[in-house]
Amino acid sequence: AQSVTQLDSQVPVFEEAPVELRCNYSSSVSVYLFWYVQYPNQGLQLLLKYLSGSTLVKGINGFEAEFNKSQTSFHLRKPSVHISDTAEYFCAVSDPYSGAGSYQLTFGKGTKLSVIP
Amino acid sequence: KAGVTQTPRYLIKTRGQQVTLSCSPISGHRSVSWYQQTPGQGLQFLFEYFSETQRNKGNFPGRFSGRQFSNSRSEMNVSTLELGDSALYLCASSTTGFAGELFFGEGSRLTVL
Repeated sequence: AQSVTQLDSQVPVFEEAPVELRCNYSSSVSVYLFWYVQYPNQGLQLLLKYLSGSTLVKGINGFEAEFNKSQTSFHLRKPSVHISDTAEYFCAVSDPYSGAGSYQLTFGKGTKLSVIP
Repeated sequence: KAGVTQTPRYLIKTRGQQVTLSCSPISGHRSVSWYQQTPGQGLQFLFEYFSETQRNKGNFPGRFSGRQFSNSRSEMNVSTLELGDSALYLCASSTTGFAGELFFGEGSRLTVL
């Protein structure tokens, strides 16, 4: 079974500073990778996804992530954070070859990003 | 385009009762998935339906069940509620296109007393 590890449960960062949220996954086969964001009392919103191709993926709100197959990592970065980025961020993996024909996601435990004014 | 709609948003039940949660997917989406979110276990996959058929099921007891109707709307049911069932239940819909690109509703927050 796949697993996703988000190494930091909480990350405080000052406004306009850069941030990196770390994510590692367990699968050694090709997978699809995702970052979702959850604002308080809301559902999850897709930030970006890696399906294939370029290892640097750009998403919404200025976020980007880099897929590293050798390190089985998919870290999320933003060069300058804003107060509005305060939220919980989830890394997720999907196995396109599971054979179930079903789009099941395995999520990490989440990282709470707190942007300090 | 309307998003994924879940009802009710909040509900309180007592142990032993049952509950039914409803989800209306984005128009045109035929896949509906359900996830349970708790502080301790995080987000866990419950099941996924496509064209009224359950295609995949997570590791949850048989008290958790679901179904999908011909209009793609879905319901999930939890019988004989336990305290540990208190959680945010999230529904997500998708097309058959990109795997894993799920569109989530705001969830139904269940509290079991």
